[in-house]
Amino acid sequence: SQELEQSPQSLIVQEGKNLTINCTSSKTLYGLYWYKQKYGEGLIFLMMLQKGGEEKSHEKITAKLDEKKQQSSLHITASQPSHAGIYLCGAKGDSGGSNYKLTFGKGTLLTVNP
Amino acid sequence: EAEVAQSPRYKITEKSQAVAFWCDPISGHATLYWYRQILGQGPELLVQFQDESVVDDSQLPKDRFSAERLKGVDSTLKIQPAELGDSAMYLCASSPEGWDRGFGETQYFGPGTRLLVL
Repeated sequence: SQELEQSPQSLIVQEGKNLTINCTSSKTLYGLYWYKQKYGEGLIFLMMLQKGGEEKSHEKITAKLDEKKQQSSLHITASQPSHAGIYLCGAKGDSGGSNYKLTFGKGTLLTVNP
Repeated sequence: EAEVAQSPRYKITEKSQAVAFWCDPISGHATLYWYRQILGQGPELLVQFQDESVVDDSQLPKDRFSAERLKGVDSTLKIQPAELGDSAMYLCASSPEGWDRGFGETQYFGPGTRLLVL
């Protein structure tokens, strides 16, 4: 089964600083999804990457997919307290037939100090 | 904006009791998922439905857990009897047809039910 390793496990930054979170897969990535979760709440979809070299941005968050390295990175520019939360990467995997499921990493806890 | 609904949001129960969680997916989403998330971990798939049929329940502890989606719309996840180790967040998600082929779609998650077993 596919395993996703996220690093770092937790991160504390000062407001305004840039940061990067990595997600490395044990198998080839066919689709990589980034979610954000506030403590005790559900997952909010951020973005999806499908092709090697693909890069997407939304506001101050940029995600990239390096297919060769089986890795994705999430970069936040000029962090704000609103960016605080748990960032989870999920990879698309086969659950049988034509159905697919997501396998998640353990998450990266981001704290942004004002 | 359409959302996945879950209830209750919080549930405290004693071990050996029965508990049930309810999920109403986004209208029109054929695929429904139940995940369990232990504190400090990522969500793990328990069961996946395509309409009313179970597609994957390989990780569902079938001796105590059951799930149904009788009319292919809303779903119920039950635990009987609950054990201390069942304390976790139970997340429901739904996805539209072809989400896995891209087109900007994904799985959409509800707010979750936080279960505490005493």
